[in-house]
Amino acid sequence: GQNIDQPTEMTATEGAIVQINCTYQTSGFNGLFWYQQHAGEAPTFLSYNVLDGLEEKGRFSSFLSRSKGYSYLLLKELQMKDSASYLCAVSDSNYQLIWGAGTKLIIKP
Amino acid sequence: ETGVTQTPRHLVMGMTNKKSLKCEQHLGHNAMYWYKQSAKKPLELMFVYSLEERVENNSVPSRFSPECPNSSHLFLHLHTLQPEDSALYLCASSPGLAGGPTDTQYFGPGTRLTVL
Repeated sequence: GQNIDQPTEMTATEGAIVQINCTYQTSGFNGLFWYQQHAGEAPTFLSYNVLDGLEEKGRFSSFLSRSKGYSYLLLKELQMKDSASYLCAVSDSNYQLIWGAGTKLIIKP
Repeated sequence: ETGVTQTPRHLVMGMTNKKSLKCEQHLGHNAMYWYKQSAKKPLELMFVYSLEERVENNSVPSRFSPECPNSSHLFLHLHTLQPEDSALYLCASSPGLAGGPTDTQYFGPGTRLTVL
């Protein structure tokens, strides 16, 4: 079967750095997405990786290793507004999106 | 402003009621989606429409009935639901045609449904 694993919950301190991991086992691979979802709001697109390596976008970076079936989202200089759930999703060989259950990130002052 | 709106934002209904969820996208996209989001579970894809034609139905119970009258509007008609259907129902749209290279999906804020 197809599976996406990410931690259920993480806690970090304002101003610090946090890394949210995502491992996947899918039938084929056509890219990996990260979305952010604040409580009671719509998921919003953060990043898309289809090639190995690190993609940096401001305070957020996303890394992909296709050989290891692994990605992480790196958040720097954490702010209180970064408290949210972070969803990992993989596009499989049929371009179907397989979603993880999300990681709830709690930022403490 | 995500460009995708959903109404109502909250809905409480009994098991014998009939109600409809509405989604509208103002982005000129070609594909629209219905998802179910339950606590601590992955998003479950329910229905996909591409250019107003249904292209996917992931074995969803018949008590959920979608309708796509045009490329900007999507409905989810509900009848004789069960308490386990209580969840957040998300609508999304994407620029390309469903079944092709994966586009970024743009989500609405969802309808929080409670079935009593």
